[in-house]
Amino acid sequence: QLLLQESGSEVVKPSQTLFLTCGVSGASFNVGGFSWHWIRQAPGKALEWIGYTFYSGGTSYNPSLKSRVTISVDRDRKHFSLRLTSVTAADTAMYYCVREGAGDWAFDSWGQGTLVTVSS
Amino acid sequence: EIVLTQSPGTLSVTPGERATLSCTATQSVSKNYVAWYVHTFGQAPRLLIYGATKRATDVSDRFSGSGSGTDFSLTISSLGPEDSGVYYCQQYGVSPRTFGQGTKVEIK
Repeated sequence: QLLLQESGSEVVKPSQTLFLTCGVSGASFNVGGFSWHWIRQAPGKALEWIGYTFYSGGTSYNPSLKSRVTISVDRDRKHFSLRLTSVTAADTAMYYCVREGAGDWAFDSWGQGTLVTVSS
Repeated sequence: EIVLTQSPGTLSVTPGERATLSCTATQSVSKNYVAWYVHTFGQAPRLLIYGATKRATDVSDRFSGSGSGTDFSLTISSLGPEDSGVYYCQQYGVSPRTFGQGTKVEIK
């Protein structure tokens, strides 16, 4: 069974860079057709899609965040990462790493989430 | 970007009742790639329905999805205390993936 586990910065100062990684275990990371996503939820708000990467390295980002986001994959370490620059208080949120299944499977596996707070 | 609007915002139901949640898209969703998730406090969201009508693995048959094009719905028959939470619809036909704002289901 697939297990996704987020780790990384829990408190980030305004204007600095948020960095999270998502460890992938229990299933093949390199299976074609899957995409690996980051999704967040700010306090009291709805879920917000950040972007995704394929194992091959292709990416797509939410236009509202595109200028500040990089999602990358580390094939040797079996994880993928999120980098968000120039953070503000509006980036305080629970961040989830998620797998989107091939075809019509949707977001079928989620990490437990990690809370990131932007504060000086 | 496809905007999804969910209604109602909050649904308060008696145990054993049936609930229908709606999700309307601003444009037709490609291949009816609409999913439904439930999010309960302290847990990650859980996939219930994908492809508008297909139940995810281990999801109770009390949950059913319907709809196509721009109008979709989730029906939960015979609600129980374990069904309380916030339910989100989501489209994954195109990027950016988008979510509705959620329907909060409360069990009286």
